[in-house]
Amino acid sequence: GDSVTQMEGPVTLSEEAFLTINCTYTATGYPSLFWYVQYPGEGLQLLLKATKADDKGSNKGFEATYRKETTSFHLEKGSVQVSDSAVYFCALGVSGSRLTFGEGTQLTVNP
Amino acid sequence: DAGVTQSPTHLIKTRGQQVTLRCSPISGHKSVSWYQQVLGQGPQFIFQYYEKEERGRGNFPDRFSARQFPNYSSELNVNALLLGDSALYLCASSAVHEEGREQYFGPGTRLTVT
Repeated sequence: GDSVTQMEGPVTLSEEAFLTINCTYTATGYPSLFWYVQYPGEGLQLLLKATKADDKGSNKGFEATYRKETTSFHLEKGSVQVSDSAVYFCALGVSGSRLTFGEGTQLTVNP
Repeated sequence: DAGVTQSPTHLIKTRGQQVTLRCSPISGHKSVSWYQQVLGQGPQFIFQYYEKEERGRGNFPDRFSARQFPNYSSELNVNALLLGDSALYLCASSAVHEEGREQYFGPGTRLTVT
């Protein structure tokens, strides 16, 4: 079945550090890939997406590239801010608009 | 424009009781999905409805049921509540029922079963 594996957290960084959160997937067919972010006490917000191989999604300084050969969709940001502290979820969509999520990675950015 | 809205925000129920959660999608969106998020885990898919028909069901027992109304709002019902049903229940809407479409999530309903 479809599944998403994220790097284990929590991740703690200093402000302006480089961020990478790894995400790999298993899916039949060719899924769309998403990163969602969840701030404390809130629902999920779409951060970025990619719908086919080699697509790069980007938003608010975050980027992720759909790598079919390595079945990966790693999230990166060049310089994190305290306000980026949240839980990040990698997800894939195959059937309709149904999503399969990873376990989430807690990011804490210290000033 | 208003986003996805859910009610109630919080709910406390006793084991064995029944609960109904409500969701209103973004105006113009015809697809509604429900997810269960247990503390510390990623959301798990429960149901998806499009144009008032069930289009997908996750691996949840028959105690869980849902429906979608003509105005595209939706209800999730859970019968015979168990302690393990305690979770954040998220509703998401999308414009159409097709792969690759982003979903927009509501703030969720926090259900506590005691």
